[in-house]
Amino acid sequence: QQPVQSPQAVILREGEDAVINCSSSKALYSVHWYRQKHGEAPVFLMILLKGGEQKGHEKISASFNEKKQQSSLYLTASQLSYSGTYFCGTEGSGGGADGLTFGKGTHLIIQP
Amino acid sequence: KAGVTQTPRYLIKTRGQQVTLSCSPISGHRSVSWYQQTPGQGLQFLFEYFSETQRNKGNFPGRFSGRQFSNSRSEMNVSTLELGDSALYLCASSLQEGPGELFFGEGSRLTVL
Repeated sequence: QQPVQSPQAVILREGEDAVINCSSSKALYSVHWYRQKHGEAPVFLMILLKGGEQKGHEKISASFNEKKQQSSLYLTASQLSYSGTYFCGTEGSGGGADGLTFGKGTHLIIQP
Repeated sequence: KAGVTQTPRYLIKTRGQQVTLSCSPISGHRSVSWYQQTPGQGLQFLFEYFSETQRNKGNFPGRFSGRQFSNSRSEMNVSTLELGDSALYLCASSLQEGPGELFFGEGSRLTVL
């Protein structure tokens, strides 16, 4: 079951905030976030584990609501470099036997 | 350090042919995963190899296969190509088995005519 991301696309001005949501219909063990710029490889942003442990870098934060199987990615005071497509990948509570199941992505455009 | 290297970057095949794609992981990484990326379906998991053994496999037909060598380099093969196999095939390596921080290559873009 592919997680559902929202919004599908968003256009912001530099300095504005953005929230990207990821919702799954199955119980999750972890949520992973990646960003892909056009023509480039996806780049790791963050892992959120069941139990609240969060791993990541960059000035981006995220939350993971285990009960609702939802995660949100928060981009505060967005920069031009934040533009790209953001993917959430989910790992089911049964383990990573199916690898990561990715959503279809959220296209983020930051304008000057 | 060098990133994940995928070859070839672009290729064009015709229906019915087969193709082999190669992936060299980051030095020291023993896990290699393959994903298919299309505009309609996004990123879909194909399989994962760790220490030369296939650990996990996604929901793809048997025409899709792969292997990993003792130096952790991996290849994937698609036989009897179909138009719908046109996609960007991404390889990702990681230190550990299973979903962790993945380091993706830039992909091999396959076009099937």
